[in-house]
Parts: sequence; structure tokens; C-alpha cells
Amino acid sequence: DAGITQSPRHKVTETGTPVTLRCHQTENHRYMYWYRQDPGHGLRLIHYSYGVKDTDKGEVSDGYSVSRSKTEDFLLTLESATSSQTSVYFCAISVAPGLNTEAFFGQGTRLTVV
Amino acid sequence: AQTVTQSQPEMSVQEAETVTLSCTYDTSESDYYLFWYKQPPSRQMILVIRQEAYKQQNATENRFSVNFQKAAKSFSLKISDSQLGDAAMYFCAYRSPPAGANNLFFGTGTRLTVIP
Repeated sequence: DAGITQSPRHKVTETGTPVTLRCHQTENHRYMYWYRQDPGHGLRLIHYSYGVKDTDKGEVSDGYSVSRSKTEDFLLTLESATSSQTSVYFCAISVAPGLNTEAFFGQGTRLTVV
Repeated sequence: AQTVTQSQPEMSVQEAETVTLSCTYDTSESDYYLFWYKQPPSRQMILVIRQEAYKQQNATENRFSVNFQKAAKSFSLKISDSQLGDAAMYFCAYRSPPAGANNLFFGTGTRLTVIP
């Protein structure tokens, strides 16, 4: 199994509070991604990183920010959590750009915003 | 933007039988990769099989095989001799040539139930 750890695994938070999810990898892979999974939508890309301090937006980035100060860590921050951000969040890593490059996924974080 | 469509929200199969999950996609690219991921109740995303668009031969991994029809933009997954452990959510995914995010685009998933 790829060495990807997401923390926390579960979190309940209140509307309006900031929340940070952490993804830690031990594989030294260059690319890291944050997805959210919602019923009827599959997985959708929030943000991604292609190197330390190099990040960019995905298709559903509003309300989220990311940071990557070290190769191994990629943080996702919900600046002011809303109920629409209740979801399961997945981190993924990929060694390099490439068509057949496999993406490895963490085990997900279930976030509930009440 | 690329779109991936899985038109079967749920499917069921008898143990030891064969089932086919459907996937269609839309792209203007000529080279790309297609993937099937399995997500069991543990939530872990597990790669099942992958197919390069330039290869005419359909990929096979043990009991799992694909029927790739490039002109029709169709990429179905066949599971033979279904086992109870095959019960999961299955996602079809598309990856375009490396640029920007080198992202995977996912379908909405098909929940497979295996009946003993």
C-alpha cells in the first residue's frame, strides 16, 4: 500500500469555523491532490500540487485553500465551513505527469458540518 | 471539459456469474488513459484495471477485463466469476495527456451487489 495518511479520519465541525485536513505521504511523489466525494457526483478535484509551494485550483475550489510547504504534506483548509462542504475528502498522490501513472489514494476523511 | 458517464447507479450479480458495468466518456483527445477503480465499504480507492487509448487490445487482470470501443467512447468493465468480495462501488475514470493537473475525471459510480 502507498504510504498516504489522512488526518483526521472523521470530523464534525460547526458552520463558520475553519477546518484543516492533512495529507501526509512517505512516497516522495511530486503530485498531490485533494478530491471530494459526494453522492451522484463521484470524485471531484478541489486543488492539486505539483511541487513544494506549487498549487493550483481544480473544478470545485471555491471555499477551499491549500498549502504545501514540504514534499510530504499537503493541507486542505476550509476557510469558513458550510453545510455544503459536508463530504468525504480524499487525498491522492502521483509520481509524475503521465498518462498511465497510477494515482494512489488515502483512506478518506469524513467531514460533517453542522 | 472531459465528462465520464456511468449510467447504472446500481447493479447486482449472482455469485459466480458475470456482470458488465458500463462507462462512456467524452473527449477530443486522441491519446488518453481509462481506469476502473473499486471502492469497498472501507472507502479505500483501489485500482482495478487500466487501458491506454492507443492500444487496441482490451486490458485484462485476472477476472476483470474491459471492452474498450474507442470510436464509441465506451469503456465497460466485465467481472467474471463474481465473488462476494467484489461487492463495492466502481468508478470509471479518464486521464488526459499530461498538462496542468494531470487530473483524473471520475464518473458517478456504480454500486455492485453480489448475491450469494
